[in-house]
Amino acid sequence: DTGVSQNPRHKITKRGQNVTFRCDPISEHNRLYWYRQTLGQGPEFLTYFQNEAQLEKSRLLSDRFSAERPKGSFSTLEIQRTEQGDSAMYLCASSPGTGGAGYGYTFGSGTRLTVV
Amino acid sequence: RKEVEQDPGPFNVPEGATVAFNCTYSNSASQSFFWYRQDCRKEPKLLMSVYSSGNEDGRFTAQLNRASQYISLLIRDSKLSDSATYLCVVNKYNNDMRFGAGTRLTVKP
Repeated sequence: DTGVSQNPRHKITKRGQNVTFRCDPISEHNRLYWYRQTLGQGPEFLTYFQNEAQLEKSRLLSDRFSAERPKGSFSTLEIQRTEQGDSAMYLCASSPGTGGAGYGYTFGSGTRLTVV
Repeated sequence: RKEVEQDPGPFNVPEGATVAFNCTYSNSASQSFFWYRQDCRKEPKLLMSVYSSGNEDGRFTAQLNRASQYISLLIRDSKLSDSATYLCVVNKYNNDMRFGAGTRLTVKP
């Protein structure tokens, strides 16, 4: 499968626990994005990377959230001290960064987080 | 004000109907525009780009009005398989995309 891969698909955690999600982008894509989507809303931008550099972070990304892309390939999104309001679908997308805006922009299937 | 605003619907239409969705965006410097489709519990997928001159892809027609900062999507001859949420997407800069909340469409037999 050469698409964007996200793991795990589902995660249930207790409030206060830390969780980490992984995203493997399409191999030749140098841009990687994280979004959060709650029921009835569109995806909300969290952060994006060009190669290993994190170029923008949304105000939605509180201090409890951290994202990394250490070698410019896969990325991880960690949420510390989870809260019930963190329950959402976390989507990763990647793009080649060339070919014009929106070109090759591909989402993974997402990680659905439930905080109980 | 949200960067991208859409009528959430839901739109419930019979098969064969024509339905139109609207979207407005706040950033006049936005350069690129798209419609994405999202099925229930699935990831968003690109439906079509929106060009200044308007563009058509089969039963789907997209229009852009830069002066009014308005985008539309028209679906003709609706099929049951068109039932989904349609997301209006605006490119802020580079490849940084901003999504509307989506308009839900249900096509009924």
